[in-house]
Amino acid sequence: AQTVTQSQPEMSVQEAETVTLSCTYDTSESDYYLFWYKQPPSRQMILVIRQEAYKQQNATENRFSVNFQKAAKSFSLKISDSQLGDAAMYFCAPINQGGKLIFGQGTELSVKP
Amino acid sequence: GAVVSQHPSRVICKSGTSVKIECRSLDFQATTMFWYRQFPKKSLMLMATSNEGSKATYEQGVEKDKFLINHASLTLSTLTVTSAHPEDSSFYICSAGIGGLNNEQFFGPGTRLTVL
Repeated sequence: AQTVTQSQPEMSVQEAETVTLSCTYDTSESDYYLFWYKQPPSRQMILVIRQEAYKQQNATENRFSVNFQKAAKSFSLKISDSQLGDAAMYFCAPINQGGKLIFGQGTELSVKP
Repeated sequence: GAVVSQHPSRVICKSGTSVKIECRSLDFQATTMFWYRQFPKKSLMLMATSNEGSKATYEQGVEKDKFLINHASLTLSTLTVTSAHPEDSSFYICSAGIGGLNNEQFFGPGTRLTVL
């Protein structure tokens, strides 16, 4: 069975600084996608970024980028120039062949002004 | 981006009654819909997966007779919590996907259920 570990229950970052959220996972599948979702206080799940496992190039979306280490099964999220609106729960989630997202425990990010 | 709605956003009911939650994909046809349950400060727990026109597949430990799922069309899935009890109080979230390995799921805004 797939497992996902987010070892940081809470993180804090100063506005305009950079923060990295960690995620490791376990899978026996050879081809898969990985996602980071954000859940702000409204509780609406929002896709932040996705990574295709067969691509070596790390995905980037504006201030958000990932460090994907396939051999190590690590998928960390870096947020640059943090903004107050980035405060939220962040979930790492690989997807399995059945199309199911496997969510990590989440990391609650707070942004200090 | 694709929009998924959920109705109602909040519901309070008495113990023993049944509650139906609707999930609609507004601007696309969803091959698959997923139902999650989330407790405060916790992760999303997948309850079941439903495909249009077929029976839902429930995750281990989820009572299929308690949580009835119907996926009547490519744009509508419903979750009915039957004979609700206070322990069923939770935040329920649906998502819809178009299928495939790159199965980006579009999430509804969630429904907060409180059973008195």
